[in-house]
Amino acid sequence: QKEVEQNSGPLSVPEGAIASLNCTYSDRGSQSFFWYRQYSGKSPELIMFIYSNGDKEDGRFTAQLNKASQYVSLLIRDSQPSDSATYLCAVFSGGYNKLIFGAGTRLAVHP
Amino acid sequence: DVKVTQSSRYLVKRTGEKVFLECVQDMDHENMFWYRQDPGLGLRLIYFSYDVKMKEKGDIPEGYSVSREKKERFSLILESASTNQTSMYLCASRRKIGLYEQYFGPGTRLTVT
Repeated sequence: QKEVEQNSGPLSVPEGAIASLNCTYSDRGSQSFFWYRQYSGKSPELIMFIYSNGDKEDGRFTAQLNKASQYVSLLIRDSQPSDSATYLCAVFSGGYNKLIFGAGTRLAVHP
Repeated sequence: DVKVTQSSRYLVKRTGEKVFLECVQDMDHENMFWYRQDPGLGLRLIYFSYDVKMKEKGDIPEGYSVSREKKERFSLILESASTNQTSMYLCASRRKIGLYEQYFGPGTRLTVT
């Protein structure tokens, strides 16, 4: 079992819709959770982080964390074509003292 | 504004050459990392350092070495470049305690011919 799992996609949504990206993790002791956006040929850019159960909102982005279910998600409201990218979920594992990355979900927002 | 810089965006080297990739961060972060990213394989950790002159092997250290003589600078060295080391190399840094946000540099696309 992979430590951080994401659906590889592509997830295709129409412009203006809500895109929902999901991630599950295996280490129950994980302490912090991150979402990175990566455009093709570019480096990952940190867009959201969440440490506590519940929702965290930042502009059009909402991160949701459910530690009991070992599940973290990213919602993108009013999706734009410029949101088309690969989204990486990352989980900080205290046991390994490093970020564990998922393989990423490719999001395509079509006009 | 956080900043991690890498010495080159694109690099072309020949098989057998010694290659140096440099990374500098201006956030006074204790931890620094080198990853490579290949299609279908995701991000893979090569080496990391949690303090000056300290280093730890990541998941794929073979064929690489690192150097950290100053807190802000972390170098990745390919002792004898091979074609299977053609990849995107990403440097990252993170504070040791407190918040665990990790920031990446722009990446170096290395081609070994």
